Amino acid sequence: AQRVTQPEKLLSVFKGAPVELKCNYSYSGSPELFWYVQYSRQRLQLLLRHISRESIKGFTADLNKGETSFHLKKPFAQEEDSAMYYCALSRSSGNTGKLIFGQGTTLQVKP
Amino acid sequence: EAQVTQNPRYLITVTGKKLTVTCSQNMNHEYMSWYRQDPGLGLRQIYYSMNVEVTDKGDVPEGYKVSRKEKRNFPLILESPSPNQTSLYFCASTATGGRQPQHFGDGTRLSIL
Repeated sequence: AQRVTQPEKLLSVFKGAPVELKCNYSYSGSPELFWYVQYSRQRLQLLLRHISRESIKGFTADLNKGETSFHLKKPFAQEEDSAMYYCALSRSSGNTGKLIFGQGTTLQVKP
Repeated sequence: EAQVTQNPRYLITVTGKKLTVTCSQNMNHEYMSWYRQDPGLGLRQIYYSMNVEVTDKGDVPEGYKVSRKEKRNFPLILESPSPNQTSLYFCASTATGGRQPQHFGDGTRLSIL
């Protein structure tokens, strides 16, 4: 079964501290993985996707197929990073436009 | 401006009174989806559509209907709403299937009393 697990509901750090939001997935094929961010009372926005291997707003995420993980990292958290973060998986074949989301992690960056 | 537009943004209604939430996108995307967002459960897909007149159930389709008569529109219909459908709903669209990022609407907060 395809599943995305974000084990932490809430992650609270101080400004300037490193951040790692965990994401583990279960999928037998080669997945397409994304991180979406939702700032307070706003729509979900794409933060980054594994295939592009880019850094957005200082965040990076590396797909680790051995550990089936796609953790989101940032070396120095900023207060404006406070938001809800969702890890999501898409199948690499038989595209249906379906995204499977994790439960989400609220990141709280304290001053 | 590329966007997904949902209406209404907020609605309070009563059990059993049919309602429709509209969704429109201006990006000529083939794929459109509806999700509901509930605390502790993340986003769950209700229905999706791969093109005009092609729709299928997602993970939580019970109590919902959809239609895709035009490429740009994908309305969500609650024929007989119940309190357990109180939630925040998001419409999303994407080109060429799930391998491309999805564009989300602003959300519709439904309260069913």
